[in-house]
Amino acid sequence: NAGVTQTPKFQVLKTGQSMTLQCAQDMNHNSMYWYRQDPGMGLRLIYYSASEGTTDKGEVPNGYNVSRLNKREFSLRLESAAPSQTSVYFCASSEGQGGFEELFFGEGSRLTVL
Amino acid sequence: AQSVTQLDSQVPVFEEAPVELRCNYSSSVSVYLFWYVQYPNQGLQLLLKYLSGSTLVKGINGFEAEFNKSQTSFHLRKPSVHISDTAEYFCAVSRPGGSYIPTFGRGTSLIVHP
Repeated sequence: NAGVTQTPKFQVLKTGQSMTLQCAQDMNHNSMYWYRQDPGMGLRLIYYSASEGTTDKGEVPNGYNVSRLNKREFSLRLESAAPSQTSVYFCASSEGQGGFEELFFGEGSRLTVL
Repeated sequence: AQSVTQLDSQVPVFEEAPVELRCNYSSSVSVYLFWYVQYPNQGLQLLLKYLSGSTLVKGINGFEAEFNKSQTSFHLRKPSVHISDTAEYFCAVSRPGGSYIPTFGRGTSLIVHP
């Protein structure tokens, strides 16, 4: 039972390069999320998708784009990476939008921008 | 909008001692409350959640938390910790019918010493 799978687990980029973080869930969940985790800052929401076909900005969307490719997959794209985007990125999913559902997290993608 | 404050960034404790990790939230309406745990180099997983009913909630690994509406708190406790409890702990809040996406606190690092 894979749950939420993120790729790649580690990535080093140079300033200005682009890349896409992939996320897939096999739990038939409707909602998916991208968070970033920085020391002392907790988790901050970048983008979310309440259901297939919809995406919305979270707390820190600048410099990122997302695509909800289908119900299973939700990707995060950095078009022109900056050192401030050095972080650990987590994808998560939940069954619905009631607020009471548990979030299931991937293991994280550690990104360094030089 | 709701917010969460975790009062301690780091809590050191000796093995077999009791521990309390503090969490306060701000919201003028009803809330759902969660504690998640993140072991080193892993994603977050749910420890326990309060939705309604009994204010004392029991979770996995011997943890429990008490919802106190008058003090807007949801502190996490364990009567006797193990080395394996060393991890980052996150408190989160969401609202029924409103902002359903959880807002996370900045995290508390629990360090258990032998």
